[in-house]
Amino acid sequence: QVQLQESGPGLLRPSETLSLNCTVSGGSISDYYWTWIRQSPGKGLEWIGYIYQNGRTNYNPSLKSRVTISVDTANSHFSLKLTSVTTADTAVYYCAVGAAGTFGYWGQGTLVPVSS
Amino acid sequence: AIQLTQFPSSLPASIGDRVSMTCRASQGINRALAWYQQKPGKAPKLLIYGASILQSGVSSRFSGSGSGTDFTLTISSLQSEDFATYYCQQFNNYPHEFTFGGGTRVEIK
Repeated sequence: QVQLQESGPGLLRPSETLSLNCTVSGGSISDYYWTWIRQSPGKGLEWIGYIYQNGRTNYNPSLKSRVTISVDTANSHFSLKLTSVTTADTAVYYCAVGAAGTFGYWGQGTLVPVSS
Repeated sequence: AIQLTQFPSSLPASIGDRVSMTCRASQGINRALAWYQQKPGKAPKLLIYGASILQSGVSSRFSGSGSGTDFTLTISSLQSEDFATYYCQQFNNYPHEFTFGGGTRVEIK
């Protein structure tokens, strides 16, 4: 059973860089999309971007200029960086692993507040 | 970008009810649609993919239908554990983007 766990900072200040890690355990994750998704308080889900096993990335156009996703396949670990955060980036951030266009495995999510 | 619109946004229902909710895509997506259930404070859970294929381990009271632009998630007999918010999600083969709908909250009538 694949398990994912997000880790990262607590409170961020506006203009800082959000950095989150996702550790994957419990199974092979080849052929998956390693993905970040977020959910603002009381709102719906927003896809941030993914990295594929071959290193190909794709990002939500609304966030593309600020997002970088990287992967360390040897250690089953992938990361999210979001630069120049504002209060609008306050959200629960989920890592998820998907295949065939869906997300079968999710982390528990981590709340990242942005406040001055 | 393809947009997904879910309705209703809120669905009051009682235990034992048959409930249905809709997801409409802004353009045809064949059957590239999934449904998720999310409970407060929890990550979403995949219920259905390929518009109508039940994810392993998911109760058979959940079913999905549709293709093209209009999709439906049906719960045949609502149970207490089914009160949650349901999201649809599509994957666009080009340019490989994912989109979620705004959600339908199934709540106690």
